[in-house]
Amino acid sequence: RKEVEQDPGPFNVPEGATVAFNCTYSNSASQSFFWYRQDCRKEPKLLMSVYSSGNEDGRFTAQLNRASQYISLLIRDSKLSDSATYLCVVNSGGYQKVTFGTGTKLQVIP
Amino acid sequence: GAVVSQHPSRVICKSGTSVKIECRSLDFQATTMFWYRQFPKQSLMLMATSNEGSKATYEQGVEKDKFLINHASLTLSTLTVTSAHPEDSSFYICSARTDNEQFFGPGTRLTVL
Repeated sequence: RKEVEQDPGPFNVPEGATVAFNCTYSNSASQSFFWYRQDCRKEPKLLMSVYSSGNEDGRFTAQLNRASQYISLLIRDSKLSDSATYLCVVNSGGYQKVTFGTGTKLQVIP
Repeated sequence: GAVVSQHPSRVICKSGTSVKIECRSLDFQATTMFWYRQFPKQSLMLMATSNEGSKATYEQGVEKDKFLINHASLTLSTLTVTSAHPEDSSFYICSARTDNEQFFGPGTRLTVL
């Protein structure tokens, strides 16, 4: 089983739609979780950290379910500019052990 | 946020040559930088951790003699791909961490002919 797994998509959604991605992780000792956004041929950029109690940043909501070992990202009122690949990132302990998922591709359609 | 730069952004070279990629933290000091590689439609894979003033720590399966890392100062780490082959063609990204956030360079696309 991969350390971090994501549905690669693509998720094709109309503008204004709500879309959710899940990401599962295998190491129950994982300590911190993040969602990154990567545009085509560009570097990943931090979208938001994921806190145990769940957190929201504008149209984006991130949640963590430790019991089931998954994190989720919800995007409301999708914009064309949200089209990108969303990477799930898990820190499994230690300064170096950061593992990236393969990413979920989102395409928002006019 | 903090800024990390990489140079060059794109390089095309012949098989057998060596290529050096620079990673700089522009507005902060980074005692530790990371080098990743990303093949098409795959995730970023950590290659090595670059430590200022000491030897790099390589991930399993990454040849340290082929991918030479030098972290000579608190703001500069270099990755040299020695005797590059077509299978080394990839997107190489460096990153540096401050507090709990990781900042990435813009990446270097290497194409080996």
